[in-house]
Amino acid sequence: LAKTTQPISMDSYEGQEVNITCSHNNIATNDYITWYQQFPSQGPRFIIQGYKTKVTNEVASLFIPADRKSSTLSLPRVSLSDTAVYYCLVGGRGRGKLIFGQGTELSVKP
Amino acid sequence: GAVVSQHPSWVICKSGTSVKIECRSLDFQATTMFWYRQFPKQSLMLMATSNEGSKATYEQGVEKDKFLINHASLTLSTLTVTSAHPEDSSFYICSLPAFYNEQFFGPGTRLTVL
Repeated sequence: LAKTTQPISMDSYEGQEVNITCSHNNIATNDYITWYQQFPSQGPRFIIQGYKTKVTNEVASLFIPADRKSSTLSLPRVSLSDTAVYYCLVGGRGRGKLIFGQGTELSVKP
Repeated sequence: GAVVSQHPSWVICKSGTSVKIECRSLDFQATTMFWYRQFPKQSLMLMATSNEGSKATYEQGVEKDKFLINHASLTLSTLTVTSAHPEDSSFYICSLPAFYNEQFFGPGTRLTVL
């Protein structure tokens, strides 16, 4: 499983767009990139997954450059309720185990 | 989507006692479930893979005799922390693999050992 590196923490203000970048230099050809969100004292929640280029859903966008060695989770117009830890994971598109990295603690201020 | 429940949501016990945590899949039949542990301000650490009808697979460094996992049905996996000690105090989370790399996580169980 490829190792990921993310910023430990980020601060933002309500209404701003937040971009969290994840590095995964050793990503394998079959690996997908998946992001999870975790609120305090709750289990993580799936946000988005992608393989290349751009993926968008109702919650976020995921940008993946051609070399796939990094990815950026984009949260549009964040609110206080987006304050959470965001995890980037890389792995094959199966139903296997997930290895979580350190995550990025996002703090959204009024 | 699948809903995963855990019981209890929190538990306080005395040192030396055993605690059982249940993880139920309410919508999906789960031949595999995962157990994680999370200490304050740290990431999730995978403890073991629970396999329905067979032995669990433990990650390196996790004591299988201390953390007993039973997966007797397609909807229930249990984690028993035996002879719990204060250092076992943590947030225990189970998950159900669904599609591709998406997993549905339970709400977690906060264990405090006095």
